[in-house]
Amino acid sequence: AQKITQTQPGMFVQEKEAVTLDCTYDTSDQSYGLFWYKQPSSGEMIFLIYQGSYDEQNATEGRYSLNFQKARKSANLVISASQLGDSAMYFCAMREGTSGGSYIPTFGRGTSLIVHP
Amino acid sequence: NAGVMQNPRHLVRRRGQEARLRCSPMKGHSHVYWYRQLPEEGLKFMVYLQKENIIDESGMPKERFSAEFPKEGPSILRIQQVVRGDSAAYFCASSPATGLANSPLHFGNGTRLTVT
Repeated sequence: AQKITQTQPGMFVQEKEAVTLDCTYDTSDQSYGLFWYKQPSSGEMIFLIYQGSYDEQNATEGRYSLNFQKARKSANLVISASQLGDSAMYFCAMREGTSGGSYIPTFGRGTSLIVHP
Repeated sequence: NAGVMQNPRHLVRRRGQEARLRCSPMKGHSHVYWYRQLPEEGLKFMVYLQKENIIDESGMPKERFSAEFPKEGPSILRIQQVVRGDSAAYFCASSPATGLANSPLHFGNGTRLTVT
C-alpha cells in the first residue's frame, strides 16, 4: 500500500492566486512527521515545511502553510499568492518509526505545479 | 555553506563500468540516506547509514550496489557493472541523530548518472 499518495499529477494556477496540493498518508504510528519539498527544474530538493503528528496548529512558513487534518490523514500544502518561481515539482514525505525505529522518510510521486502569468 | 555536498554533479559511464558517487553530510549530521529518482518519478529509498554502520539497506538492489560511510571521509554509493537501467538521479540526504521524526532531510544537489 502507498504510504504517501499525491493524487494530482499536474496543477495549474494563475500568478498571485492560491493553490492547494493534496497529500494523504497511511501510518499506524502515533509519532510521525510530514514534510513538503520543492524540486525546481534545476533538480535540487528544497525543504519547505514540516508538520509533527502532535502539533495542534497548522504549520506555516511564509507563503506556505500545511493544512493538517489528522483524522483524515491528510497534509495538504497551500501556497498563497503564487509566483512564477513556484513552478516546480512538489513532493510530500513522511517519517514514521519503522519496526527498527529508523524513521526512514517515504516520498509521494509528486505534483507538477505550473504558475501562469 | 555547510550543506550536503554531492559529487560529481553529472557522471557518464559506459555499460560495465563502475560508478562511485560521493556524499558529505551537513556539518553535525551523522545520518546519511541515499535515494534514487527515475525520470518523472518520486524518490525511492535505497540505504540508510550512520558512521561505519549500514542501518537499513532494504531499498538497495541485491547485486552490484553497495554503500559505505567510513569513520573519516564521505559516504560512497558504488554501482558496479552499470547497466542502462541504472541511469537516474541519485540523491544523498542527511539529518541529525536526534528527534528523527521531527527532522527534515537536507538534500544534496544530486548526481545525475547516465549510462551509455
